[in-house]
Amino acid sequence: LAKTTQPISMDSYEGQEVNITCSHNNIATNDYITWYQQFPSQGPRFIIQGYKTKVTNEVASLFIPADRKSSTLSLPRVSLSDTAVYYCLAGYRVYQLIWGAGTKLIIKP
Amino acid sequence: GAGVSQSPRYKVAKRGQDVALRCDPISGHVSLFWYQQALGQGPEFLTYFQNEAQLDKSGLPSDRFFAERPEGSVSTLKIQRTQQEDSAVYLCASRTEASGASQETQYFGPGTRLLVL
Repeated sequence: LAKTTQPISMDSYEGQEVNITCSHNNIATNDYITWYQQFPSQGPRFIIQGYKTKVTNEVASLFIPADRKSSTLSLPRVSLSDTAVYYCLAGYRVYQLIWGAGTKLIIKP
Repeated sequence: GAGVSQSPRYKVAKRGQDVALRCDPISGHVSLFWYQQALGQGPEFLTYFQNEAQLDKSGLPSDRFFAERPEGSVSTLKIQRTQQEDSAVYLCASRTEASGASQETQYFGPGTRLLVL
């Protein structure tokens, strides 16, 4: 099972681009990399998922280098409402994913 | 559309009391998952259903924890003889995909916050 390591917390300012890097050194061939966002008193919400190279959707981009031992979630032009905990997960079976404590992102005005 | 709903949202129990937590998944979703989330931590897997079949219960912390999904839709997580260490948020998630592979996202409910005094 792939364990991930990500910063405990990060600060940024409104309008900036935020990059959160996650390491998953023992990722397996079949494993996908998935990021979730969680606000207080809510369940986690899916942000983006990828297997290799770059994936982009309407809210974020995910960059995965060729060795897949790390990944970077990029949030463009953040706002105060992006203040949340962000979880990086690496795995194949969803019920085997190890969530960890996530990265607490605080956006300042 | 309607998402995953959970009830109650908050539950206070006295130590030793039995509790039942309900999850209403998104209609038509085959897979249903229960997680426990301690304060300041990420969710931890408890158990997984595919329709009415409980395929994995390896995360249930003790035999005081029991989950069921008798008709393949609504699920109930029951905790018997609650202890203070059971205090946590209990999250339910559902998804359409049956295989358990992570390619398809899970949709989480808001959780039930359980406090055992």
